[in-house]
Amino acid sequence: EDQVTQSPEALRLQEGESSSLNCSYTVSGLRGLFWYRQDPGKGPEFLFTLYSAGEEKEKERLKATLTKKESFLHITAPKPEDSATYLCAVQAKYGGSQGNLIFGKGTKLSVKP
Amino acid sequence: DADVTQTPRNRITKTGKRIMLECSQTKGHDRMYWYRQDPGLGLRLIYYSFDVKDINKGEISDGYSVSRQAQAKFSLSLESAIPNQTALYFCATSFGGGSTQYFGPGTRLTVL
Repeated sequence: EDQVTQSPEALRLQEGESSSLNCSYTVSGLRGLFWYRQDPGKGPEFLFTLYSAGEEKEKERLKATLTKKESFLHITAPKPEDSATYLCAVQAKYGGSQGNLIFGKGTKLSVKP
Repeated sequence: DADVTQTPRNRITKTGKRIMLECSQTKGHDRMYWYRQDPGLGLRLIYYSFDVKDINKGEISDGYSVSRQAQAKFSLSLESAIPNQTALYFCATSFGGGSTQYFGPGTRLTVL
């Protein structure tokens, strides 16, 4: 069964304190791994897509990396405005969920000034 | 203007009432999706549509129905709402398979 597990569930950081969020996955052939940011009461906002192990993408203070079993979202010197829930999703090549996104439950990040 | 819009944004209704949530998009995407989000459960797929004539059930379709009125419009109906359908509902769109899904702002539905 295709599955996505995110850890930790919640993360509290001080402004400037770098850290990483983890997304572990099992999938019947990975078509793509997606990271989204979600603010309270709003729709998920697309951040990155990763397609193959070893791939990396960056946007401002965020950097996403991918291995064959997990992805990391690295946050460098975070600011309070980075506070949000970060969602990871995978898209399978094969099987019943082929083509659809399977989401993890998210990591709620809080950055204190 | 937003690329994916949802109406209403908030709705409070009573058990047994019929409710329709609407989604419109100006992105020109062919695929549209309906998700619900519950605290601690993440986003779960209700229905998805690859084009106007192709509608498919997702993970949790029981109690819901959909209509794809046009390429740009996808509606979700609750024929007889029940309290455990209280949730945040999101519409999403994508172009073709294997591509990024873009989400609307959501509808907060409360069933009393």
